[in-house]
Amino acid sequence: NAGVTQTPKFQVLKTGQSMTLQCAQDMNHEYMSWYRQDPGMGLRLIHYSVGAGITDQGEVPNGYNVSRSTTEDFPLRLLSAAPSQTSVYFCASSQDGYSYNSPLHFGNGTRLTVT
Amino acid sequence: GDSVTQMEGPVTLSEEAFLTINCTYTATGYPSLFWYVQYPGEGLQLLLKATKADDKGSNKGFEATYRKETTSFHLEKGSVQVSDSAVYFCALSIISNFGNEKLTFGTGTRLTIIP
Repeated sequence: NAGVTQTPKFQVLKTGQSMTLQCAQDMNHEYMSWYRQDPGMGLRLIHYSVGAGITDQGEVPNGYNVSRSTTEDFPLRLLSAAPSQTSVYFCASSQDGYSYNSPLHFGNGTRLTVT
Repeated sequence: GDSVTQMEGPVTLSEEAFLTINCTYTATGYPSLFWYVQYPGEGLQLLLKATKADDKGSNKGFEATYRKETTSFHLEKGSVQVSDSAVYFCALSIISNFGNEKLTFGTGTRLTIIP
């Protein structure tokens, strides 16, 4: 049982480059989300999806795109990387998007450095 | 807006010591409260939760009580082990008028247990 799988684990980009962070879950969860974790700031929500074909913005969406063509996959795209996007990125999923009812399951993270 | 304030870390304790990690919150409405734990190299995982005032969440020897009068959800464990070394995040969730959940995380407290 893989849970939430993120790839790659580490990535270094130059300013202006684009890339896609991959996220897949095998729990048939409807809700998926992306967070970034920065020192002294906790986790902040970037984008989320409540089901295939539906996405919405979180707290810090600028510079990122998402799509949800299948229930299993929720890739995060950086269109033109900036040093401010250096962070650790976590993908998470849950059955229904309500933490009091079904817990969030997190992947192991992608550490991104933009130089 | 909604916020969570955790005690600053890092916290270093000897094995079998008593642990308290303080968490206070500010929220409109009636939040659910959570503690998540992040072990080295892994994503966050739910440790315990409480969904209404005076509820006590417990798991793996950890406990936290939802105190509405003091807006607190302090994490406690009577006798810590080396394997408890991790980063602990307090979080709250509020359901918006649109029916969406907003999950707010604290900044995390790093705990190190010395044998």
